[in-house]
Order: sequence, then structure tokens, then C-alpha cells
Amino acid sequence: TQLLEQSPQFLSIQEGENLTVYCNSSSVFSSLQWYRQEPGEGPVLLVTVVTGGEVKKLKRLTFQFGDARKDSSLHITAAQPGDTGLYLCAGGAGNQFYFGTGTSLTVIP
Amino acid sequence: NAGVTQTPKFQVLKTGQSMTLQCAQDMNHNSMYWYRQDPGMGLRLIYYSASEGTTDKGEVPNGYNVSRLNKREFSLRLESAAPSQTSVYFCASSKELASGMSSSYEQYFGPGTRLTVT
Repeated sequence: TQLLEQSPQFLSIQEGENLTVYCNSSSVFSSLQWYRQEPGEGPVLLVTVVTGGEVKKLKRLTFQFGDARKDSSLHITAAQPGDTGLYLCAGGAGNQFYFGTGTSLTVIP
Repeated sequence: NAGVTQTPKFQVLKTGQSMTLQCAQDMNHNSMYWYRQDPGMGLRLIYYSASEGTTDKGEVPNGYNVSRLNKREFSLRLESAAPSQTSVYFCASSKELASGMSSSYEQYFGPGTRLTVT
């Protein structure tokens, strides 16, 4: 059962452009995590949001948790080649987690 | 502080062989997990352990067994490997957040084991 839908699946943009990745579900989660995964590596935690409507910023990355705690977005401003990777969202229900299939981002220099 | 470590990093097995994937965490987390990651399928939970001495099945447990040896270590065993078990395996651990919200956790991953079964 795929509880989390991520979109888009693939994204290729030029350096300096802005982008938004979406993570949607019909389920309510107690927390929502975003990870970045590079080839041959494990997912690295970027942020955790727990409150409906919460917005967190990490340098050029802005994360938002939906008011109803069912969806989230990741916005990257002025993308850099170092942002290239697979972005995964995961909804937390207690100590269990449900992952989206990921968004593969390529930033072209 | 090494975080979550996994061994081996790569493994090739023949159909029917057995092996154990090792995982350890030094963050004093209670919960630990085993996932597999396949192209287009995302991360799928194989087994998890909410605390030392307990284990529970996840989404895809068939063909696997686990052992929570102590608080630090959680191993995954393939008794008779099959080509369908070719995948990248990730171990993770999680901590409860002191955020005031009940039952919120965040998860940390190891570097993965790349397993090929021929």
C-alpha cells in the first residue's frame, strides 16, 4: 500500500531555477520527514515537521507541513548542482514510517 | 559517533545460500528497522523492532528473519536467498522527538548493503 504520493517523479532544471516537490496522502501523520539520497548512499535526514502548518527553512530549502498533516512540500530556491539527488518524504505514525517513491532531481550547471 | 553502521557493503550470493546482514547504532535509540529499496518501489519495510526483545513484521517480511541482539544491534537473515531478494538493504534507527507532540519520531539510516542473488 503506497500511502504517500510524491510529484514530480523526475525533475531536471538549470542551475539558479526554483522548484517545488510535493508529498501527498489521504492519511494523517504525526510527523513528516524529508530525506535526500545520493547514489550509493543511505537517505540523509533533512528535516522533520510535526505541527500542522509548520514551515521550516534550511538555507535555500523551505519545508511546509499541511494544516491537516496529510501533505507536505519542499521548495528549493536558486537550485545548485549540489542539490542533485533523490528526495524522499516519509510520514510518521508513531514509530513507523511510510515512504513516498521519491523525486529524482538533476540540477544542470 | 558513527550513527548507523551496516556490514557488508556489497554481497553476491547464489540462489539458496544464506547470509546475515549486520546493523548497529550508537545513538541509544530504542527502535530499529530493516528496509529494502528497489527501483520504482521506494523504501519498503521488512521488519522492525520497537525495543530490545521485540520484533514485528513490516510490509515485505517473507524470506527474511531478524534478531534484535541487544539495544545496539539488529540483524537481518536470508535463510535461502532468491533472485527476487536482489536489492539494496537499509538499516535505520529512530528516536522520539521531545517536541511536546505525542508519538513523533525521526529516523536515521545506515549506508546500505547492496545484495545481488544470482
